[in-house]
Amino acid sequence: NLMLTQPHSVSESPGKTISISCTVSGGNIVSNYVQWYQQRPGSAPTTLIYEYYQRPSGVPDRFSGSIDRSSNSASLTISGLKTEDEADYYCQSYDSTKVVFGGGTKLTVL
Amino acid sequence: QVQLQESGPGLVKPSETLSLTCTVSGFSISNGFYWGWIRQFPGKGLEWIGSIFHGGTTYYDPSLQSRLSMSVDTSKNQFSLKVKSMTAADTAVYYCVRDRQGGGVLIVDHWGQGTPVTVSS
Repeated sequence: NLMLTQPHSVSESPGKTISISCTVSGGNIVSNYVQWYQQRPGSAPTTLIYEYYQRPSGVPDRFSGSIDRSSNSASLTISGLKTEDEADYYCQSYDSTKVVFGGGTKLTVL
Repeated sequence: QVQLQESGPGLVKPSETLSLTCTVSGFSISNGFYWGWIRQFPGKGLEWIGSIFHGGTTYYDPSLQSRLSMSVDTSKNQFSLKVKSMTAADTAVYYCVRDRQGGGVLIVDHWGQGTPVTVSS
C-alpha cells in the first residue's frame, strides 16, 4: 500500500531556507504526481505545489517542489523564510486504488 | 476568482445521514474540472472522500464507497455529498475542493473554508 512519510516537525530561522521531505513507500515517486498543501493555524489548507513542482498563480516563487528518484521522495523547499510561513504542510499523492496524504509537518519559524 | 463554500448541519446523530452542499462562485461547474470532498480529522489527518464531474461521473474512496453519494446541480452551481450511517469516527472538518484531474487522481487547486461536523447523540 502507498504511504507518504513526512517529518513530524521542523524549525528554522527567518530568512533561511528549509526543505520538507515526503518519502514514498509502496510505490515509485515517478509514477504519480505529488502535491503540497499549506495549512496555517485556524485556516483551511491551500495548494502550494501540484504535479511535483507546479505553482498555482499567486504562490510566491519562494516555494518550490522537487523529487529525488534515488530516495524515492519529494521535497518542498521554502527559501527566505517568513514568520507567516509557520504552518502545517502536507504532501499528497495517489495510486491506482487510493489517494494518500502524508501525516503533515509542522514548520516553526523562530 | 474561484470560491467554494460548504453548508450543512454541524451536528449529526449516530446512524443518520450527513448532507453537505458546496456552492461554487467565480467558475461554472459546467465548464469542467472535478469537484470533490476532503475531510480533516481532529488529529489533523486528511482523507479524500470522493470527486464528481459535472456530467455526474463519480470517483469515491474505496473504503467509504458503500456509504457515499455525490451529485451536481449545475443550475445552482452546486455539488453535494451524502454520507450514510454516520458514526463518531466521521467527526471531522469537511472541505469541498476543485480537483484538477479527477479519475481518482486528486490534484486540488481550490479549497473551501471547511465546515465542522460532529457526530453525537
